[in-house]
Amino acid sequence: DTEVTQTPKHLVMGMTNKKSLKCEQHMGHRAMYWYKQKAKKPPELMFVYSYEKLSINESVPSRFSPECPNSSLLNLHLHALQPEDSALYLCASSQDLNAGQNSPLHFGNGTRLTVT
Amino acid sequence: QQPVQSPQAVILREGEDAVINCSSSKALYSVHWYRQKHGEAPVFLMILLKGGEQKGHDKISASFNEKKQQSSLYLTASQLSYSGTYFCGTTSGGSNYKLTFGKGTLLTVNP
Repeated sequence: DTEVTQTPKHLVMGMTNKKSLKCEQHMGHRAMYWYKQKAKKPPELMFVYSYEKLSINESVPSRFSPECPNSSLLNLHLHALQPEDSALYLCASSQDLNAGQNSPLHFGNGTRLTVT
Repeated sequence: QQPVQSPQAVILREGEDAVINCSSSKALYSVHWYRQKHGEAPVFLMILLKGGEQKGHDKISASFNEKKQQSSLYLTASQLSYSGTYFCGTTSGGSNYKLTFGKGTLLTVNP
């Protein structure tokens, strides 16, 4: 069992829908991440939060909107997505951002998103 | 900058050994190794920091050659459970704490 929990596991949405992905961890980690992974590709970093503040935005389109309500929760709000946004969205956490270089990322099992 | 992994894929029989390489043209601070099975999350294997250390985890070990900016993952006496895609991730230190993953190496262990 993973210590990072993501919901839902699967999501199908139309291009005009608004939906949210949720991620939760209770390991006391202060850095949380959103990654996007296409089939047979490595995870690509989207956003990083450190102590509940956005630290990195990898030039992600505004139709993806992250939110970190508290140190245990991370959301990704989705609006007006395109079919090419279909992918596995992974949440991860680490002890803190500086330690992220020498402490592991703990990944959730991901949300499989399909945009129709 | 994305590290380069080799080989792209390898097929083994149970009990055989394999080496997966990860190299970068940039000076590295740390190298992470993860394994991802189909339909599952990446799972952390080990981290190596600059200093040329070598680590081991059961029959999986890794080395980091700081001069060559290269890390190698060694899988000995492979088991069926070793099958999956192996990713290395690298950081460059300082304020650049972003972990960048290589394209991955697909390892298949057959009976």
